[in-house]
Amino acid sequence: AQSVTQLDSQVPVFEEAPVELRCNYSSSVSVYLFWYVQYPNQGLQLLLKYLSGSTLVKGINGFEAEFNKSQTSFHLRKPSVHISDTAEYFCAVGGNKLVFGAGTILRVKS
Amino acid sequence: DAGVTQSPTHLIKTRGQQVTLRCSPKSGHDTVSWYQQALGQGPQFIFQYYEEEERQRGNFPDRFSGHQFPNYSSELNVNALLLGDSALYLCASSSHREEAFFGQGTRLTVV
Repeated sequence: AQSVTQLDSQVPVFEEAPVELRCNYSSSVSVYLFWYVQYPNQGLQLLLKYLSGSTLVKGINGFEAEFNKSQTSFHLRKPSVHISDTAEYFCAVGGNKLVFGAGTILRVKS
Repeated sequence: DAGVTQSPTHLIKTRGQQVTLRCSPKSGHDTVSWYQQALGQGPQFIFQYYEEEERQRGNFPDRFSGHQFPNYSSELNVNALLLGDSALYLCASSSHREEAFFGQGTRLTVV
């Protein structure tokens, strides 16, 4: 069975500050990991993915994530956030079938 | 490329009624998955269709059923609607070459 735990339900941060959204996973099979962003009343947009290879993955909008097998983590980071990054972020594990975490709301304040 | 398109965008139904939601996959994708996202929660996998067959199913009752057509589009049907079925229903399409792309979703409200 696979599962995802997003450790923070909400993360407030000031504009231009760095941010980290935490994600821990559990999987008994090969690990494919994803981060999605959801803006209000919209679907999910893929930010980045880890399938294999380099453990540091770069995505769109300046986001990156690091796969840590020993800690079973896949934390999302951005060195400097913008107001437009305010959204809900979902970590997911799986291949054909995705298992999502409960989401983290990122609130960027001016 | 229009990406994944879902219709309708919003829907209000009464308890006990039946509803059909529709999804057209991204060009080149042959696999369609459906997810239910209740308010304040992450999406939950309902089922997946490939080659017009249900390939995988999540923990949802038989009231939830689906279909995939030869052009790879798909429908999600929910019978005997309950208040708890109110949610955003997301369709995702994929292929063996490309990961899942999501549509904008259908917001279903059951009253």
